[in-house]
Amino acid sequence: DAGVIQSPRHEVTEMGQEVTLRCKPISGHDYLFWYRQTMMRGLELLIYFNNNVPIDDSGMPEDRFSAKMPNASFSTLKIQPSEPRDSAVYFCASSPWALNIQYFGAGTRLSVL
Amino acid sequence: ELKVEQNPLFLSMQEGKNYTIYCNYSTTSDRLYWYRQDPGKSLESLFVLLSNGAVKQEGRLMASLDTKARLSTLHITAAVHDLSATYFCAVQGGETSGSRLTFGEGTQLTVNP
Repeated sequence: DAGVIQSPRHEVTEMGQEVTLRCKPISGHDYLFWYRQTMMRGLELLIYFNNNVPIDDSGMPEDRFSAKMPNASFSTLKIQPSEPRDSAVYFCASSPWALNIQYFGAGTRLSVL
Repeated sequence: ELKVEQNPLFLSMQEGKNYTIYCNYSTTSDRLYWYRQDPGKSLESLFVLLSNGAVKQEGRLMASLDTKARLSTLHITAAVHDLSATYFCAVQGGETSGSRLTFGEGTQLTVNP
């Protein structure tokens, strides 16, 4: 398997623009996670899905952030409108069941100017 | 709220030396993970520790878990330059955390020739 695939790898945008990050989990994995990594806050969970259903979105910073998983092989994290403080590396991870190793994608480095 | 603390946060050591990284967590959990992250890269799973007294070893790295003390250690034996990276511990499960991983701050390890 190719692993968890994220796109784009890098995104530079201007404040106020909409940003969409994409993730393809490992085939057969029922759980998908979105994490954000910053120097100030470290690695923090934003939201996770089980069988395409959002289970815990308590880490989503505010209404500007939304995430969807329309099918088992695709998820998006959208920021609208984006702000400079959203600049971070966003990781997607997947795992086959609830308590199991999470396999991380390469991440999307987002810079909001 | 589950808290995970690592120390030290920065570690500079010479090749051939031994050292231990500590990971403390605040509430009961089901699993503890150690991940490695190289600069600008994704997270790679190193170890999963499931029960009290668990010990796992891979090459020059050995991880252990003491659930009563809520403490995990990552011991480095005879360090080599290739071990330079940031090491994260992460806790999963417990009363309220579900499948989410709660990460420590990370320990940035530099091994000098």
